[in-house]
Amino acid sequence: GAVVSQHPSWVICKSGTSVKIECRSLDFQATTMFWYRQFPKQSLMLMATSNEGSKATYEQGVEKDKFLINHASLTLSTLTVTSAHPEDSSFYICSARDQTGWYEQYFGPGTRLTVT
Amino acid sequence: AQKVTQAQTEISVVEKEDVTLDCVYETRDTTYYLFWYKQPPSGELVFLIRRNSFDEQNEISGRYSWNFQKSTSSFNFTITASQVVDSAVYFCATAGDSWGKLQFGAGTQVVVTP
Repeated sequence: GAVVSQHPSWVICKSGTSVKIECRSLDFQATTMFWYRQFPKQSLMLMATSNEGSKATYEQGVEKDKFLINHASLTLSTLTVTSAHPEDSSFYICSARDQTGWYEQYFGPGTRLTVT
Repeated sequence: AQKVTQAQTEISVVEKEDVTLDCVYETRDTTYYLFWYKQPPSGELVFLIRRNSFDEQNEISGRYSWNFQKSTSSFNFTITASQVVDSAVYFCATAGDSWGKLQFGAGTQVVVTP
């Protein structure tokens, strides 16, 4: 089956620094990738939709200057949390949509970010 | 806009009991899709099922079964003869547009004890 990887799986950073999270589709091409955030014991909230070769579309309330998304190729999207603060600590999950069918969406294993 | 309600926050059962998870959705779309995902303690989402709005047939897959009732906007999920490995958070989700953006419910924590 289709596999999506995320790197790193966990990261600890200091307040004020930036962190980059990678999302890769390993065996298929993904024109669209989605980024979700999940706080402890809460649901997944969509942050943004990432389209290859174009600007990401952010959900209401998500700061695009803080959460930079780049989808430079059909297999890689990156999320950079800039000037991270403790309240950005969360579980970040990406998903990739197989370009052959819109509803086939595969999730990565997630990245746990802790900002100290 | 889509909305998914999972009213049950947590369900605790003893192994071999059946457990039913409720999911009620709201949508204005004529065509939409419904999903169930399992999230074990590791955090990785496991896809369980996808249903489109035109297919109201119930489905059974091993110990899992799903009941889709358009009349009540519900898509309930039953685990038969539960096992400890079924302990996880289960999310119901819906998508209504061609972009595939998923709207998740709050999730239901299932705890299965031996």
